[in-house]
Amino acid sequence: QVQLVQSGAEVKKPGSSVKVSCKASGGTFSNYAITWVRQAPGQGLEWMGVIFPILHTANYAQKFQGRVTITADGSMSTAYMELSSLRYEDTAVYYCARTCPLGEEYGWFDPWGQGTLVTVSS
Amino acid sequence: DIVMTQSPDSLPVSLGERATINCKSSQSVLHGSNKRNYLVWYQQKPGQPPKLLIYWASTRESGVPDRFSGSGSGTDFTLTISSLQAEDVAVYYCQQYYSTPLTFGGGTRVEIK
Repeated sequence: QVQLVQSGAEVKKPGSSVKVSCKASGGTFSNYAITWVRQAPGQGLEWMGVIFPILHTANYAQKFQGRVTITADGSMSTAYMELSSLRYEDTAVYYCARTCPLGEEYGWFDPWGQGTLVTVSS
Repeated sequence: DIVMTQSPDSLPVSLGERATINCKSSQSVLHGSNKRNYLVWYQQKPGQPPKLLIYWASTRESGVPDRFSGSGSGTDFTLTISSLQAEDVAVYYCQQYYSTPLTFGGGTRVEIK
């Protein structure tokens, strides 16, 4: 049963960058796409983008184009999401999730990582 | 972008009673070639990530209790909890995966009346 374990909480200043990791264990990593979703405090879910580790291709929501970079290291079974030029409104829990079904770039998400709280504060 | 609208925002239901959550998409998420609806439902409890309940609008994920069911097609979908249990208190989200950007409904909070 695959599990996704994310890196710990971060506090960042406005204008800086944050990089969150997502390590997969217990299953095949490269054959599934990994998606990143964020959730602002008390708010709903927002899709940020996706990467296909086996192809090293990433696609992003237009809202985040130019600010987000999603990468993957298949040898480490780890995906990364880097968000730059941070703003106060980027304060959120960032989740990685495996995209289903197998081999598809877009779909439903299962399982999810535990989430990483990124706080943007001066 | 496809806008997903859920109703109601909050749903108080007595234990053992039926809970019905609606999700409407701004355009059809029914794929013409495979006749599948690209719609999924999640459950999220406080402090936890979302949990997959139903995909393809009506296919229950393995291990999900059969009191959860999904229905609908095109632009109108429903998640039904046939007999609410205490552990079902959560926020429920629908999501479309028909086109990018993938989008979620605003969530429906189910609570005990």
